[in-house]
Amino acid sequence: GAGVSQTPSNKVTEKGKYVELRCDPISGHTALYWYRQSLGQGPEFLIYFQGTGAADDSGLPNDRFFAVRPEGSVSTLKIQRTERGDSAVYLCASSLKASGGRTDTQYFGPGTRLTVL
Amino acid sequence: DAKTTQPNSMESNEEEPVHLPCNHSTISGTDYIHWYRQLPSQGPEYVIHGLTSNVNNRMASLAIAEDRKSSTLILHRATLRDAAVYYCILRDQYNFNKFYFGSGTKLNVKP
Repeated sequence: GAGVSQTPSNKVTEKGKYVELRCDPISGHTALYWYRQSLGQGPEFLIYFQGTGAADDSGLPNDRFFAVRPEGSVSTLKIQRTERGDSAVYLCASSLKASGGRTDTQYFGPGTRLTVL
Repeated sequence: DAKTTQPNSMESNEEEPVHLPCNHSTISGTDYIHWYRQLPSQGPEYVIHGLTSNVNNRMASLAIAEDRKSSTLILHRATLRDAAVYYCILRDQYNFNKFYFGSGTKLNVKP
């Protein structure tokens, strides 16, 4: 079946601009996660949703970052006033349910590579 | 978050077994040990997980030390497609949705 998809695959923007990154989770998965991966590092947790609500947004670095999931399926990560330090690969993952606990598998998309010039 | 320690890189020959170690000396009794891997230009993918007993699946085996302070991911016959960064992750009962990946082990497989 279809996996997690992310669009665009690449995004180049200028410092100070606004960007939106989209994630389509696996159908039927109620939990959705965003991670950020800088070059040479492992992914870092940003936020996760259970259904439509953000259950944990403790990884968002500052108030320029915001994510929504209005209908409990597709999610959008929004970054305002982008900075060069925001350049990274943004990964999305989904799982059957966040309450699945410590054995629940996360399925990752291919990521969006964001470059801020 | 409970932390893990892995070697930065390892090398293996194709068709030979590979043992990827992970230390997690601060693991608690209810933490699950998960392994994910990330192939070049892809998102991470699940490999295997375990709690106390050794585990096998079609991709790999997971050997867990008796005191659970370390574990080893075993690829029985490495292929070129196994070249990836391998992450050992602990999932506790309170923050199991927040994966802490660390830097992982970059596995290079030589033909």
